[in-house]
Amino acid sequence: ETGVTQTPRHLVMGMTNKKSLKCEQHLGHNAMYWYKQSAKKPLELMFVYSLEERVENNSVPSRFSPECPNSSHLFLHLHTLQPEDSALYLCASSQARTSYYEQYFGPGTRLTVT
Amino acid sequence: GESVGLHLPTLSVQEGDNSIINCAYSNSASDYFIWYKQESGKGPQFIIDIRSNMDKRQGQRVTVLLNKTVKHLSLQIAATQPGDSAVYFCAENTLIIHGAQKLVFGQGTRLTINP
Repeated sequence: ETGVTQTPRHLVMGMTNKKSLKCEQHLGHNAMYWYKQSAKKPLELMFVYSLEERVENNSVPSRFSPECPNSSHLFLHLHTLQPEDSALYLCASSQARTSYYEQYFGPGTRLTVT
Repeated sequence: GESVGLHLPTLSVQEGDNSIINCAYSNSASDYFIWYKQESGKGPQFIIDIRSNMDKRQGQRVTVLLNKTVKHLSLQIAATQPGDSAVYFCAENTLIIHGAQKLVFGQGTRLTINP
């Protein structure tokens, strides 16, 4: 285990549903990340939070809404998704410092939009 | 623009042989690179990293080589084992605001170790 947990591990939702993905890190990190992993695309960075402030938003559609209530928890709120949003959503965390630190990934949530 | 790409999507090697996975990057200003391993049902796991002021770095059974002239990165795995079967990604790491980091991943190479 990497110290980063994600729930649920699998989620099936209709296009009109609202759901949330949860990520929790037990590593004492203060930066957290959401990535999207599709079948035929490289891992794509979606959002970055550092010290609970959103510092990066990679042109992600507004139907994805992140929330970082504290440095240990990160949520991704989903609403009115499209079938092409079906993917593996990965959360990661790292130390936020002025030098490079490894990002630790959770196991991901496999999302299917029907 | 930023892009990190892999030359081959799949690679099969016999158990015990050495394997080499290649990666090309386009941003000549890139300073830090990481190789990740992703097994089925798991998130990416850090294997080894290298900074742009180095040409080579060795870990346990793994070596990363960096050729800045041609913007090429490779991962060598020695004496492969069945547990090495996974998808391997190279990634370019950039520091962004407030100490957070941005990873740009390549497409990935699926390595299969044949018994």
